[in-house]
Amino acid sequence: DADVTQTPRNRITKTGKRIMLECSQTKGHDRMYWYRQDPGLGLRLIYYSFDVKDINKGEISDGYSVSRQAQAKFSLSLESAIPNQTALYFCATSDPGTGGKDNEQFFGPGTRLTVL
Amino acid sequence: RKEVEQDPGPFNVPEGATVAFNCTYSNSASQSFFWYRQDCRKEPKLLMSVYSSGNEDGRFTAQLNRASQYISLLIRDSKLSDSATYLCVVNHSGGYQKVTFGIGTKLQVIP
Repeated sequence: DADVTQTPRNRITKTGKRIMLECSQTKGHDRMYWYRQDPGLGLRLIYYSFDVKDINKGEISDGYSVSRQAQAKFSLSLESAIPNQTALYFCATSDPGTGGKDNEQFFGPGTRLTVL
Repeated sequence: RKEVEQDPGPFNVPEGATVAFNCTYSNSASQSFFWYRQDCRKEPKLLMSVYSSGNEDGRFTAQLNRASQYISLLIRDSKLSDSATYLCVVNHSGGYQKVTFGIGTKLQVIP
């Protein structure tokens, strides 16, 4: 079974709808992240969380919110989706100092979101 | 100037060729560096960390040049399975060790 899972894997929705993307991990990591990936722009950080009580905005948090329900779960919400939020969304986890691979991030398989 | 810059490519190389990618970064205080590999429509996965002394893993060699602020990835004896996008990742200093991803360099190995 995958260590980092995301649901749904694909979603098409309409402008103005509320959407929630979910991420679960079995790696036991405290740190979790949400990124979006757009062609020509690379991965950009939306939000990150270092533990259940710690939530931080990334570089492009406007229009998004998150919830860290447990160590293993980190959800991303689009309160009112707009077309320019069409992108590939990745959840990731990390555990500082693991095996000497400083800050290696482990990614989920991604959610492809289309907002019409 | 972007924090992390990569040539998006694509680099089209024949099987068996040697190919090298560079990545430049703007923050001289950057602390750690990585190469990730991303296959089409898949998640990125760590390929290798980049150490000051350089490091090698089989056909792959990574180098760091702090003076010129770039890292490189060399792939020898390219295989068809090496076809992917290679992401340069830089970890900056600060309270939160900010991680910045480059846009990636696409490699296509041709039979």
